[in-house]
Amino acid sequence: EIVLTQSPGTLSLSPGERATLSCRASQSVRSTYLAWYQQRPGQAPRLLIYGASSRATGIPDRFSGSGSGTDFTLTISRLEPEDFAVYYCQQYGSSPPTFGGGTKVEIK
Amino acid sequence: QVQLQESGPGLVKPSETLSLTCTVSGGSISSYYWSWIRQAPGKGLEWIGYIYYSGSTNYNPSLKSRVTISVDTSEKQFSLKLSSVTAADTAVYYCAREHCTNGVCQSYFDYWGQGTLVTVSS
Repeated sequence: EIVLTQSPGTLSLSPGERATLSCRASQSVRSTYLAWYQQRPGQAPRLLIYGASSRATGIPDRFSGSGSGTDFTLTISRLEPEDFAVYYCQQYGSSPPTFGGGTKVEIK
Repeated sequence: QVQLQESGPGLVKPSETLSLTCTVSGGSISSYYWSWIRQAPGKGLEWIGYIYYSGSTNYNPSLKSRVTISVDTSEKQFSLKLSSVTAADTAVYYCAREHCTNGVCQSYFDYWGQGTLVTVSS
């Protein structure tokens, strides 16, 4: 199975700053089949990005995704208070679908 | 708006079978793949398996020997059974829907239940 490694484990930033989250795969992800989710405490994950760079319905344009092959990035251009959460990447190019270990974006 | 709701016991004894049901409302159960995903306390997400509305299944190899997922389209429900549980199976269990567009489905998840905590303990 494809192992996804997210870095950093924790990102300490202030509101208004830019956040850059990394997701690296142990082997190439077929057809950029990579998604990103946001999880706030006590809530289910929420789909943000699919196909590496397509925003899901209702997701603000401050969220953007990029990458291909084994290296992917989620960027939040200007952090809003509600963006402080844990973010997970997930590959769905091969079975089983797998998730990264998560990056926590916390208020500095 | 599609909504998913998990239900089932919050406490299961070691070596017994964990059983959960997910009820779908606000949308059709047909033509979609329905998954179970779990999250151990303070940990990441693990896909358990899916079922298509027609009944075909696919399970994570790491759990395959212990997992059964079934569907009842008339009740708009699908269910998870995980046998021979241990403390390592303690987790929040989510049901989720795979995204499908024009009959083409991909294994990312656009709708999730709120999750239910299952604790394995005697």
